[in-house]
Amino acid sequence: AQKVTQTQTSISVMEKTTVTMDCVYETQDSSYFLFWYKQTASGEIVFLIRQDSYKKENATVGHYSLNFQKPKSSIGLIITATQIEDSAVYFCAMRELITGNTRKLIFGLGTTLQVQP
Amino acid sequence: DPKIIQKPKYLVAVTGSEKILICEQYLGHNAMYWYRQSAKKPLEFMFSYSYQKLMDNQTASSRFQPQSSKKNHLDLQITALKPDDSATYFCASSQDRGDTQYFGPGTRLLVL
Repeated sequence: AQKVTQTQTSISVMEKTTVTMDCVYETQDSSYFLFWYKQTASGEIVFLIRQDSYKKENATVGHYSLNFQKPKSSIGLIITATQIEDSAVYFCAMRELITGNTRKLIFGLGTTLQVQP
Repeated sequence: DPKIIQKPKYLVAVTGSEKILICEQYLGHNAMYWYRQSAKKPLEFMFSYSYQKLMDNQTASSRFQPQSSKKNHLDLQITALKPDDSATYFCASSQDRGDTQYFGPGTRLLVL
């Protein structure tokens, strides 16, 4: 069964520090795509970064990077030099390539990040 | 300028009524989707369209009907509304079915 699990309900960090958010997934597919989105206080859902399962290099976009550990079915999001504006709910999501509904994104429940000044 | 427009932003409806949620995207994408976000539940996939054709329907109820009058439009008609339908409905789009999906601002629906 396809499933995405984010075990951290909320995290609080000080501004300018580094934070890691965990995500584990379950899939039967050998190829799949992993995404991180954030939902701001206004409710807007913003795409952040993506990892394709066949790529060995961890994706990096700006101050977001991923820690992809395929044998552990884990895709952690790392935010460096956090800013107050990074306070949001962060969602991990997965899309399979081959079996099932290949257009469907499966989301975790999210991790609330609070960045303190 | 917003690339994905959803109207209205907020919607209050009475049980048993019918409402249409509007979605327009100006990203030039070929695939569009609807998701629902309810309290304490993960974002839930509802439908996907590709080139104005329904590709996937994951809703159990026929009360939810997507409608695509133009390539960049995907509206959602909900009939016989129930309080359990109260949620935020997000429209999303992607270049093609395999690509990254981008979300609209959502329509928050409250059914009384």
